[in-house]
Amino acid sequence: NAGVTQTPKFRVLKTGQSMTLLCAQDMNHEYMYWYRQDPGMGLRLIHYSVGEGTTAKGEVPDGYNVSRLKKQNFLLGLESAAPSQTSVYFCASSPLSLGAEQYFGPGTRLTVT
Amino acid sequence: GQQVMQIPQYQHVQEGEDFTTYCNSSTTLSNIQWYKQRPGGHPVFLIQLVKSGEVKKQKRLTFQFGEAKKNSSLHITATQTTDVGTYFCAGIRQGGKLIFGQGTELSVKP
Repeated sequence: NAGVTQTPKFRVLKTGQSMTLLCAQDMNHEYMYWYRQDPGMGLRLIHYSVGEGTTAKGEVPDGYNVSRLKKQNFLLGLESAAPSQTSVYFCASSPLSLGAEQYFGPGTRLTVT
Repeated sequence: GQQVMQIPQYQHVQEGEDFTTYCNSSTTLSNIQWYKQRPGGHPVFLIQLVKSGEVKKQKRLTFQFGEAKKNSSLHITATQTTDVGTYFCAGIRQGGKLIFGQGTELSVKP
């Protein structure tokens, strides 16, 4: 099993550009999450999904959109990137509930200039 | 705002010294989890504590959950260079989502 994978690993965007980050998991997990990690801020939840076709807002959802069309995939979109969105983005999944152990992907390092 | 506070933010120790990081919440937590993130890596689940006053051990690591279920600690005995990384606690209130602390970055000098 590959676990949780993320593409791309690195990306540089110019302000105003758009992009989509892809997360895929092969563990048949119901719950999936997108976090951003900034120095001194820990991990902050952007959006999450409790199952195929469902999404919900986390702590810091502004400027991001998500979709979960297939159970194994969770997409994070930036419609108009801003320098404040420079961060490392982690996707995670969990099998049982929102409070269960989470399995993280390797991360995507995004720089917006 | 941040609902789970973690201290210290950084800790530098000599190899062989002990290390402790503390996690505090203003509200009661239904459980608490601990993760480790190696430099350049991703968070990896270490353990989950559910019961009031619970203590769990993993080799040199000791995890505690407070009696009031508002605080937790991770203690590493006799640190090794392999312990280097950032340790995160993550708490959850009943029916809610995980809220991560800011993390404690541990460096170990050989």
